[in-house]
Amino acid sequence: QVQLQQSGPGLVKPSQTLSLTCAISGDSVSTNSGAWNWIRQSPSRGLEWLGRTYYTSKWNYDYAVSVRSRISINPDTSKNQFSLQLNSVTPEDTAVYYCARRDWNRGLDYWGQGTLVTVSS
Amino acid sequence: DIVMTQSPDSLAVSLGERATINCKSSQSVLYSSNNKNCLAWYQQKPGQPPKLLIYWASTRESGVPDRFSGSGSGTDFTLTISSLQAEDVSIYYCLQYLSSPHTFGQGTKLEIK
Repeated sequence: QVQLQQSGPGLVKPSQTLSLTCAISGDSVSTNSGAWNWIRQSPSRGLEWLGRTYYTSKWNYDYAVSVRSRISINPDTSKNQFSLQLNSVTPEDTAVYYCARRDWNRGLDYWGQGTLVTVSS
Repeated sequence: DIVMTQSPDSLAVSLGERATINCKSSQSVLYSSNNKNCLAWYQQKPGQPPKLLIYWASTRESGVPDRFSGSGSGTDFTLTISSLQAEDVSIYYCLQYLSSPHTFGQGTKLEIK
């Protein structure tokens, strides 16, 4: 059974960097059967896919246009986890952030518990 | 980007009755390599992440009650709950995973009448 455990601060100041980590158990971040994603949810934006990383003999990265200039998703094979960094945040980045596995067949099948991140001074 | 539009936004159904939620994509989500539709349905309860119910438009996830079923192809899809139970009160979302960015519908809130 795959489990994803999120960690990171729930409060970030405007203009600073939001950083979250998703620890994986029951699978490998280097798997070739899926991808590792970050999604956020807010009342104004609904569920918004932010980006993913996956391994196919090399690491691949794919980001939503809306955040492409500010986002970085990085795998850490030594800790079997992946992270999200979102730079230059504003109050509009306030949301519940989720990590999730994308199985190539089943879509987003396993999700982290969610982290409410508030951007405020 | 593929835009996903659900209808209705909210729905009230009596216990034991059928509930039907629709999802329309702005372009086909059919994956030509296996002729399957990259469309999933999720159930979300307050304070919880979305839970996968259906993938490939009509394949029920393991452990999901058989009163949940998915149908449709191309751009038009339906989630049906054949006999509504109290625990089915939730918000339901569709997701297309054919292409990047993956996109979700806006959600349908299901309540008991």
